[in-house]
Amino acid sequence: GQNIDQPTEMTATEGAIVQINCTYQTSGFNGLFWYQQHAGEAPTFLSYNVLDGLEEKGRFSSFLSRSKGYSYLLLKELQMKDSASYLCAVMDSNYQLIWGAGTKLIIKP
Amino acid sequence: DAMVIQNPRYQVTQFGKPVTLSCSQTLNHNVMYWYQQKSSQAPKLLFHYYDKDFNNEADTPDNFQSRRPNTSFCFLDIRSPGLGDAAMYLCATSRDPSRPPDTQYFGPGTRLTVL
Repeated sequence: GQNIDQPTEMTATEGAIVQINCTYQTSGFNGLFWYQQHAGEAPTFLSYNVLDGLEEKGRFSSFLSRSKGYSYLLLKELQMKDSASYLCAVMDSNYQLIWGAGTKLIIKP
Repeated sequence: DAMVIQNPRYQVTQFGKPVTLSCSQTLNHNVMYWYQQKSSQAPKLLFHYYDKDFNNEADTPDNFQSRRPNTSFCFLDIRSPGLGDAAMYLCATSRDPSRPPDTQYFGPGTRLTVL
């Protein structure tokens, strides 16, 4: 079966750095997406990785290792508005998006 | 601004009373998706349209139907809502999954309550 694993919940302090991990087992691989979802709202696209390495976009970076089936999302200089769920999703060989359940990130002052 | 619009944002229905949720897009994307998402769970794909081609997920109950009368609009019909169908329903669009990166863009969602 296909599987995406993420921690259920993480807590971090405003101004700090947090890393949210994602491991996956899918039938094939056509890229990995990270989405942000605030409570009661729709997911919004954050990043896409298809090659190994780090993609940086402002305060957010995403890393991929295809051989390890592993990605992480790195959030720097945390702000209170970063409190949200972060969903990892992998596109498989059939171009279907397989979603993780999301990691709820709680930011404390 | 190009976007994905869902109406209504909140829908309350009675057990067994049919309900229709709507989605429209101005992105001119080929693919439209309907997801069901329950609290703290991953979005669950119900079905998607690639242009007029309908693709139903194997585990989507028959109670859920969809229509896409044109490129811009897509509807989700729940014929006899049960208590277990209370959820957020998300519509998303994308250009072409076989041409990565194919980002899915989501509407704001419709929160369905079943009484």
